[in-house]
Amino acid sequence: QKEVEQNSGPLSVPEGAIASLNCTYSDRGSQSFFWYRQYSGKSPELIMSIYSNGDKEDGRFTAQLNKASQYVSLLIRDSQPSDSATYLCASYNNNDMRFGAGTRLTVKP
Amino acid sequence: SQTIHQWPATLVQPVGSPLSLECTVEGTSNPNLYWYRQAAGRGLQLLFYSVGIGQISSEVPQNLSASRPQDRQFILSSKKLLLSDSGFYLCAGRGYMNTEAFFGQGTRLTVV
Repeated sequence: QKEVEQNSGPLSVPEGAIASLNCTYSDRGSQSFFWYRQYSGKSPELIMSIYSNGDKEDGRFTAQLNKASQYVSLLIRDSQPSDSATYLCASYNNNDMRFGAGTRLTVKP
Repeated sequence: SQTIHQWPATLVQPVGSPLSLECTVEGTSNPNLYWYRQAAGRGLQLLFYSVGIGQISSEVPQNLSASRPQDRQFILSSKKLLLSDSGFYLCAGRGYMNTEAFFGQGTRLTVV
């Protein structure tokens, strides 16, 4: 069974802090990994994609991938109240895209 | 850019009634298409995916079915809805040369 696991949270951080979100996956054949943000009642929107081991930075967001440990993370620097949402981790392998259950993040002003 | 159109946005259906949700794609050809269901406060459950016309892969045995009559059209159906079919249904597409998926706006289905 191909699984993507996330801590459901909720994760609460103060405004301006770093939020750290983690994800593990079971399918060693997974080639690509994604972080999506989902506001309540809305569809997910893509934040980051990462394909190779190491870090990838885009503005306040940094994605980290460790294929040996089957681990993906997302760091959000200078967290803002508008970052409050559920963050979904996804893995992709051969046309199959799987999502974790999501981590709910609350950024307190 | 790739766009997923999905309708209706909300739907209330009685138990035992049929269902048809449609999803169309713009901005790419030969996309992979996906149907997900999200129960309240839960993650995305992959229901079906399609790599081409008439090609459907089913992930979860249930009373739902999917069809892909055209390259950019993906339909989710049921002959008789159950209460447990309630949820937020999301269509997603992935362009032939891309790996990231983009989502439609979703359909919130309530079976009463």
